[in-house]
Amino acid sequence: DVKVTQSSRYLVKRTGEKVFLECVQDMDHENMFWYRQDPGLGLRLIYFSYDVKMKEKGDIPEGYSVSREKKERFSLILESASTNQTSMYLCASTSGHGYTFGSGTRLTVV
Amino acid sequence: GQSLEQPSEVTAVEGAIVQINCTYQTSGFYGLSWYQQHDGGAPTFLSYNALDGLEETGRFSSFLSRSDSYGYLLLQELQMKDSASYFCAVRDEGNQGGKLIFGQGTELSVKP
Repeated sequence: DVKVTQSSRYLVKRTGEKVFLECVQDMDHENMFWYRQDPGLGLRLIYFSYDVKMKEKGDIPEGYSVSREKKERFSLILESASTNQTSMYLCASTSGHGYTFGSGTRLTVV
Repeated sequence: GQSLEQPSEVTAVEGAIVQINCTYQTSGFYGLSWYQQHDGGAPTFLSYNALDGLEETGRFSSFLSRSDSYGYLLLQELQMKDSASYFCAVRDEGNQGGKLIFGQGTELSVKP
């Protein structure tokens, strides 16, 4: 069964910490994405990548960075976590019209 | 700016038909997709329309009118398990598998 795996389901971090969210896909997809999901706001694109070592800013990149050193892995980095980054983070990958999403990481910053 | 509008909530009874509308305003348009998300779960891909008309997949159908910047998801013979949030999404660039802009989601409640 093909899938996108996010390393943590729940995370609690302190303000100012550097946070790494990991995402791995086993479908050999070129395209990978990080979204955050907040009630009433839908899914908002943070960063995306269409190839290894390639990254592009989405709609809300401030406070985040990404790394794509290998095709299957796309990491989201919160350089200095803040309380307004408390959210559900969803990773997705695709090579066609439909995305496959990971189960999400619910991050709480205290 | 870019925006997708869909109703925030819809309620229907088991066995009924429900239509969830989506209107979009984006800089480019290369297709409209629909995703289903159950509470606590990951969004799952339902359908994709690039051309005008109706696409049918079992109990679910999706429609697109590019001239009206409008589409809808039609769910027939509703079941309790269809209670979920439904998101429309637009691909605004020509790269197949390119980034999607999502609507805010419609929460569908199916009552017995």
